[in-house]
Amino acid sequence: AQSVTQLDSHVSVSEGTPVLLRCNYSSSYSPSLFWYVQHPNKGLQLLLKYTSAATLVKGINGFEAEFKKSETSFHLTKPSAHMSDAAEYFCVVSLSNFGNEKLTFGTGTRLTIIP
Amino acid sequence: DTAVSQTPKYLVTQMGNDKSIKCEQNLGHDTMYWYKQDSKKFLKIMFSYNNKELIINETVPNRFSPKSPDKAHLNLHINSLELGDSAVYFCASSPTILAGVSSYEQYFGPGTRLTVT
Repeated sequence: AQSVTQLDSHVSVSEGTPVLLRCNYSSSYSPSLFWYVQHPNKGLQLLLKYTSAATLVKGINGFEAEFKKSETSFHLTKPSAHMSDAAEYFCVVSLSNFGNEKLTFGTGTRLTIIP
Repeated sequence: DTAVSQTPKYLVTQMGNDKSIKCEQNLGHDTMYWYKQDSKKFLKIMFSYNNKELIINETVPNRFSPKSPDKAHLNLHINSLELGDSAVYFCASSPTILAGVSSYEQYFGPGTRLTVT
C-alpha cells in the first residue's frame, strides 16, 4: 500500500518570503514521488518528480524538493514566493506496473501569497 | 496545440440523466486515465486504459463506463446520474510504463465540471 500525507491544508506566506509545503509518504517499494500544481479552475501541471536519482530535485518556476528516506519526507520549497504561486499543490506517490501507473494523491495544500 | 483535451468543460444536468465526457490526447501516449476531484479537492483515480485495454478500475459504480475507441481517446459515460456524481473529472495520459522505467509524468486535461441537480 502507498499513501501520502500533506501536513498542512493551507499555507500563507508573504510575497518574497520562502515557501515550505510539507509531505510525508508511505510506500512498500522504492517510491516515485511528484508534486503537481493546480491553479484555480485549471488542470494539473507537474512541478517536479523524484525517481530514485538525485535526492534534491529541481522543478519549474524555482521550486525544488528533497527526498529524505530516513524521514519519509518529500517537502516542496521555494526561496522567494511570487503572487503567481498562489494555487493548490498536491504531493503524489506512484506505483508503477507494466503498462500503467497508479498515482495516489495527497489531500492538497492551498498556498496563499500575501502582497 | 492542446495536449489533452476534454469536452465539455462544464456539464449541468438533472438526476437520472445519462451523460458522456470525451477525452482526446495528441501526445502519442498508450495509457489514459480518468480521475475524479471532489468538492474538497481530493483527487482519486477511477480508471486507466493501456492500448484500449482496461487496466485499473478503482471500485467505481458500474453506472460509470469508460470506452476507448482508440489509443488517443478515452470517453466516460455515466448512467443514471446522482447528486454525488457532482465533481470535476480529469482525463490524463502517459507513455506506457516499460521495464526498467520507474515512472512517467501524467499529462492532465483541463477538467470537466459536472453538476447534477
